Amino acid sequence: DTAVSQTPKYLVTQMGNDKSIKCEQNLGHDTMYWYKQDSKKFLKIMFSYNNKELIINETVPNRFSPKSPDKAHLNLHINSLELGDSAVYFCASSQAQGAGNTIYFGEGSWLTVV
Amino acid sequence: DQQVKQNSPSLSVQEGRISILNCDYTNSMFDYFLWYKKYPAEGPTFLISISSIKDKNEDGRFTVFLNKSAKHLSLHIVPSQPGDSAVYFCAASLSGGSYIPTFGRGTSLIVHP
Repeated sequence: DTAVSQTPKYLVTQMGNDKSIKCEQNLGHDTMYWYKQDSKKFLKIMFSYNNKELIINETVPNRFSPKSPDKAHLNLHINSLELGDSAVYFCASSQAQGAGNTIYFGEGSWLTVV
Repeated sequence: DQQVKQNSPSLSVQEGRISILNCDYTNSMFDYFLWYKKYPAEGPTFLISISSIKDKNEDGRFTVFLNKSAKHLSLHIVPSQPGDSAVYFCAASLSGGSYIPTFGRGTSLIVHP
């Protein structure tokens, strides 16, 4: 009964390809996120959705497009993959946005672009 | 601009001793701080938090200390156990509104038996 699950866990793909990472949460949370952990190890917020609506879109290339079909799902689609996109991508959720709301993370998806 | 800094990438401690993980922040508006723990191949999990109205919060073996004037917080683990070996992320946030926490780059703690 994984709370936040994301697939695939590992993904190796060639430059220029398009790929998607799926995320689902079964916690009944209203808010979902995508974080990126790059080679420098910082966890950086990419997107935040609240009840299927985009709330925050940090400085992320347009090649990254999140899609939330319902509030339990937030998928990440990446077009025209580049070497620099290689990173670990974490999906997460919380009851609501704001400091007092614990963020629950998925296990991460290791993306390697070759 | 790194608003949350964890300047020690790693820390090695003997089992039973105290582990002290440090975190500095630059934005004086931050008033809510969190620590997350991450095992390999898993996502980070929430460990403990502290509001700026306090200077200490304790939960079992874990205590977080906050020094607002120095913009510094630390996580103390006493006594350290091998199962505590993980990466610890410090995060800072604003208690009002819908601000999303800003994370540091983590400190890898290794507790030797």
